[in-house]
Amino acid sequence: SAVISQKPSRDICQRGTSLTIQCQVDSQVTMMFWYRQQPGQSLTLIATANQGSEATYESGFVIDKFPISRPNLTFSTLTVSNMSPEDSSIYLCSVADSKYEQYFGPGTRLTVT
Amino acid sequence: DAKTTQPTSMDCAEGRAANLPCNHSTISGNEYVYWYRQIHSQGPQYIIHGLKNNETNEMASLIITEDRKSSTLILPHATLRDTAVYYCIVLGLGGATNKLIFGTGTLLAVQP
Repeated sequence: SAVISQKPSRDICQRGTSLTIQCQVDSQVTMMFWYRQQPGQSLTLIATANQGSEATYESGFVIDKFPISRPNLTFSTLTVSNMSPEDSSIYLCSVADSKYEQYFGPGTRLTVT
Repeated sequence: DAKTTQPTSMDCAEGRAANLPCNHSTISGNEYVYWYRQIHSQGPQYIIHGLKNNETNEMASLIITEDRKSSTLILPHATLRDTAVYYCIVLGLGGATNKLIFGTGTLLAVQP
């Protein structure tokens, strides 16, 4: 199974600022995804991070608010831009290997004040 | 992808089998049933998946009905560490992306 790390593990940010979250995998993976989990809620898929091309966003999520990079097969970043308190969530990255089992990172707990 | 229906919560006594049901009556022929769980403050953890046949691994067993409209995840000897939210997800493989869509899941509380 893939080992995934995320940085930072948590942060407290002021509204109007931006935060970039990093996701690092210990092996090359085909697919990487970014999820959001708002307090007390289930996980919501934000986008699929595509290596070498623009991310594919789910309905309700846009690139200007959540720009994503994936420069190679082991690394991706998600930026939460112009933050508001409604962006306070846990942000998780996940990866899928050739067996179609997905593995999740530990998450980044973001609080916006 | 087909939707799933799960009970909101369940209790189970420690050491007993936990049986978690899931309905997926609109599942298509090429869609798999996946189970994940999320222990508090952690990322979701893959448990098991299956297509038609029953499956077993070191964590759990998955029983899928013959018509594939429902399934049951079985934790044979539940421990306190199995307390978590369990998600049943139906996923069609082979598309451009195999993205998981999470429902609300079942909160399993294992009681001492």
